[in-house]
Amino acid sequence: KAGVTQTPRYLIKTRGQQVTLSCSPISGHRSVSWYQQTPGQGLQFLFEYFSETQRNKGNFPGRFSGRQFSNSRSEMNVSTLELGDSALYLCASSPGTVNNEQFFGPGTRLTVL
Amino acid sequence: KNEVEQSPQNLTAQEGEFITINCSYSVGISALHWLQQHPGGGIVSLFMLSSGKKKHGRLIATINIQEKHSSLHITASHPRDSAVYICAVRPNFNKFYFGSGTKLNVKP
Repeated sequence: KAGVTQTPRYLIKTRGQQVTLSCSPISGHRSVSWYQQTPGQGLQFLFEYFSETQRNKGNFPGRFSGRQFSNSRSEMNVSTLELGDSALYLCASSPGTVNNEQFFGPGTRLTVL
Repeated sequence: KNEVEQSPQNLTAQEGEFITINCSYSVGISALHWLQQHPGGGIVSLFMLSSGKKKHGRLIATINIQEKHSSLHITASHPRDSAVYICAVRPNFNKFYFGSGTKLNVKP
């Protein structure tokens, strides 16, 4: 089985722009979670989707949004980018029941200038 | 207030040593995860625990639900074990909380 894929792998944007990141889960997995990792804050939970519905949400401003499609692929969007949004964005998929192991993608490295 | 505390933050060991990383949490949980992150960013899930003890090769993870504490042990450590180890908890099927990570460096 192919692993979790994320595109793009690297991205450079300027302040005020918006960005969309994509995540394709492992085939058959119905849950996708998104995380932000920065040197200062470490790993932080953004949101979790299951069957196209947001199941949980972390403490991030409304500029951060996401969605999941019927094929379980997920996108996250960050609008009005700030310098502090520079981070590694990771997605993870799991089969779907709540206590499942998470399988992580390689991440998207976003740099905001 | 951190829901998850890990110790130590940094750990240097000689090849072959027995290593212990600790994780304490303050919330009721449905599961605790141990993650490994190598330089370059890739994260691998090592264990998911809700009780007792699990073992994969040289890695052992234990959890004490009453004391809200988990440990990750590495026996016969090897330089390829050098990575950041992260503890994560999920209170009552809610969002994840992460520890700040333990950076392990195993010297040959």
